[in-house]
Amino acid sequence: GAVVSQHPSWVICKSGTSVKIECRSLDFQATTMFWYRQFPKQSLMLMATSNEGSKATYEQGVEKDKFLINHASLTLSTLTVTSAHPEDSSFYICSATRTSNEQFFGPGTRLTVL
Amino acid sequence: GEDVEQSLFLSVREGDSSVINCTYTDSSSTYLYWYKQEPGAGLQLLTYIFSNMDMKQDQRLTVLLNKKDKHLSLRIADTQTGDSAIYFCAESTGGGNKLTFGTGTQLKVEL
Repeated sequence: GAVVSQHPSWVICKSGTSVKIECRSLDFQATTMFWYRQFPKQSLMLMATSNEGSKATYEQGVEKDKFLINHASLTLSTLTVTSAHPEDSSFYICSATRTSNEQFFGPGTRLTVL
Repeated sequence: GEDVEQSLFLSVREGDSSVINCTYTDSSSTYLYWYKQEPGAGLQLLTYIFSNMDMKQDQRLTVLLNKKDKHLSLRIADTQTGDSAIYFCAESTGGGNKLTFGTGTQLKVEL
């Protein structure tokens, strides 16, 4: 149990386009979902925390208008990178929690912006 | 603010023990975690320890916590080639489930 999926696993897009990444909890209802960004050979940096039905809480330095988060249901959160640029190229990882402290991580989405 | 540090790289021979170290600064940490990340993949939770514990053992894994020095370690006994990966420690504070990750240690297991 506690499986989290992400789609797509890999995306290449042109500069200026928008990309949507989905994060789903497959066998449980997630009270909270988190979005992280990981640059090559670096650690995970928390971008935002989202709770179903409410606005996401963004970490300092993360642009809300650039990284749109929608948490429409207890099993789905989406991250849209708007007007993507090469510096947005990164590995994006989501996680989901139930009632315990444990976060269950998705497999990640590799975004490459040309 | 929170700051979690790890050494960047560790190389061991197959069959030896590996010890990965982590230091953190937030004394209000409630849980401390160890995650494993294989190339191009997400994170796999290996084990965790509550902040009022000193040690936790789970099969080949032993976690030691020195709360006074804010030092956490992960010992992997009988290290195998399949253990080669990046290992992240992480701390959670308060009740919000937010995690702060360490810089990651790349473990390379050689034959």
